[in-house]
Amino acid sequence: AQSVSQHNHHVILSEAASLELGCNYSYGGTVNLFWYVQYPGQHLQLLLKYFSGDPLVKGIKGFEAEFIKSKFSFNLRKPSVQWSDTAEYFCAVILHGSSNTGKLIFGQGTTLQVKP
Amino acid sequence: EAGVAQSPRYKIIEKRQSVAFWCNPISGHATLYWYQQILGQGPKLLIQFQNNGVVDDSQLPKDRFSAERLKGVDSTLKIQPAKLEDSAVYLCASSLGGGPSFNEQFFGPGTRLTVL
Repeated sequence: AQSVSQHNHHVILSEAASLELGCNYSYGGTVNLFWYVQYPGQHLQLLLKYFSGDPLVKGIKGFEAEFIKSKFSFNLRKPSVQWSDTAEYFCAVILHGSSNTGKLIFGQGTTLQVKP
Repeated sequence: EAGVAQSPRYKIIEKRQSVAFWCNPISGHATLYWYQQILGQGPKLLIQFQNNGVVDDSQLPKDRFSAERLKGVDSTLKIQPAKLEDSAVYLCASSLGGGPSFNEQFFGPGTRLTVL
């Protein structure tokens, strides 16, 4: 089955710690990859996306993600988190050339709690 | 630029009652999506419209859920009759549509449905 897996369900960090959230997908074809963030009480918003080209993509608020095709991964990173990064983070993928073409498939989400 | 609008923001109903949600996408966006997000899970696509036609409704429980986008702009999602397991946040999203460059989806604030 085609799916997206996020390794960590709940992550707790202190401010200034480095962050890496794992995301893997199971599909051998062309993909578009996304990280969305949902701050408490707010709607889903796009952090960053990968369509093609440089596999290291930079998003808003200092976040970046690296697409490693051989590992089917798109991990999200931030060198130094802030209390305001407390939120839920969703990895998502669009699969091309399959029955799921055009449909965003989300992982189950990772709740990040940053302690001041 | 105005975002995706949804109403109501919250709804509490008893099981077997009916409920309807409304979504107004970003102006000019041809593609509209309805997602269901159950607590602790990522959003799951229910139905996707391209203008006023259905592109994908494979995960819509058609015995109780229906959706329409008659004029290719705003959309309604209806549940009749509701079950306890329908308690979730219903998200609407829109995108320009077309080729891969336009697959970025913008999300509304969602409607939180509680079925008692």
